[in-house]
Formats: sequence, C-alpha cells, structure tokens
Amino acid sequence: SQTIHQWPATLVQPVGSPLSLECTVEGTSNPNLYWYRQAAGRGLQLLFYSVGIGQISSEVPQNLSASRPQDRQFILSSKKLLLSDSGFYLCAWSLESNQPQHFGDGTRLSIL
Amino acid sequence: AQTVTQSQPEMSVQEAETVTLSCTYDTSENNYYLFWYKQPPSRQMILVIRQEAYKQQNATENRFSVNFQKAAKSFSLKISDSQLGDTAMYFCAFMKQYNNDMRFGAGTRLTVKP
Repeated sequence: SQTIHQWPATLVQPVGSPLSLECTVEGTSNPNLYWYRQAAGRGLQLLFYSVGIGQISSEVPQNLSASRPQDRQFILSSKKLLLSDSGFYLCAWSLESNQPQHFGDGTRLSIL
Repeated sequence: AQTVTQSQPEMSVQEAETVTLSCTYDTSENNYYLFWYKQPPSRQMILVIRQEAYKQQNATENRFSVNFQKAAKSFSLKISDSQLGDTAMYFCAFMKQYNNDMRFGAGTRLTVKP
C-alpha cells in the first residue's frame, strides 16, 4: 500500500532563515505530488504541484519554491522566511489528475 | 475561477444523530469532481467521499453520503449515526477534470457530543 511521509512535524524558524520541508511517497511510481498551505482556521491553498521529476507548477507567487529531485520526493524550500509564511503545510499525492489526493501528516511552521 | 463555499463555520450534533454539512460551489465547467475531506485534531487530512459530476447517483460510503445537486451546484454531506470520532473539521473540495488544482472551502468544524 502507498504511504506518504512528511517531516518535520513541527518547526520554529526565525524570520530570514532558510526552509526545507521534505515529503516522500512509498508504494507507487510517478505520482502527482502537491504542497498545500493551511492558514489558521482556513481551508487549504495549493502552492505547487508536480506531475514528474523536475516538473513543478506554481499556483501562487511567493518566496517559496519546490523541487522534485526524485520520482517520489518533493521538497518545499525558501531562502528567506517571512512572518507570513507561518502556517500548516501539507504534502499530498495522487495517482494522476482527477484522482483523490492523499495527504501527509503536515508540518506546523512557526516564524518568530 | 472556481470557488467553494461552506456556509456553516461550526456545527454540533448529538451522538447517534444525523447531521448535514452544506457546500456550494461556483463553476462554468460541466465535468468535475467533488470531495469531502475530514481533518481531526491530529490534523491529518482524510478523504471521506468523492463524487464525479457526470454521475447522477449520489456517492455513499458507509455512514457518509452526499446530496449532489448539479443544477444548484450544491454538494452536502450527510453523516448518519454520528460517532464521537467524527469530531473534526470537514472540508468540501472541487477539482476540474484533467486538472491538479483542488479548491477547498473554508471548512466546517463539527463537534459530536456524547
């Protein structure tokens, strides 16, 4: 069966510091991969998605970036974090477009 | 652009009773997919149920069922025989066909009371 791993679970970072959140999927090949952000008390906002290695689509302009160095690895990064980057970040995968997305446990990011 | 509206920020229900969560959406598309996700206090997002717009039959999954009204662009979730473990945030989501952008509503916080 497929599993998705996301780490770390919580992270506290100072403003201006770099960020790297990692997500890996096991048990499937060439999945679609997604990064979402969930602000407190709100729904999810799609940040990036990827349909293959090296293929990244960005949904909103921001100081975050994503990379997919391997088939089942999706990384969310920033060179300099802003206070507004605080939130709950969720990674997800799906077999293909139109299929349900399955989520990781999320990372709670607090910027000080 | 597609928007998803959940007009009930919070709801509560007694254990074993039935509750219905509302969701409406706005789209000009004819083919699309609708989802309900559950997010318990553990924060993990769990798929509850999925509906294809081209199917007239309402999707069901054990105690969970939907009332899909395509013309009205309404997609409500009914939870029967509510259990304490159903306490969670519930998100309605919309996705166009052949698309990766899933749009979520703001969520409804459901509390099941003993």
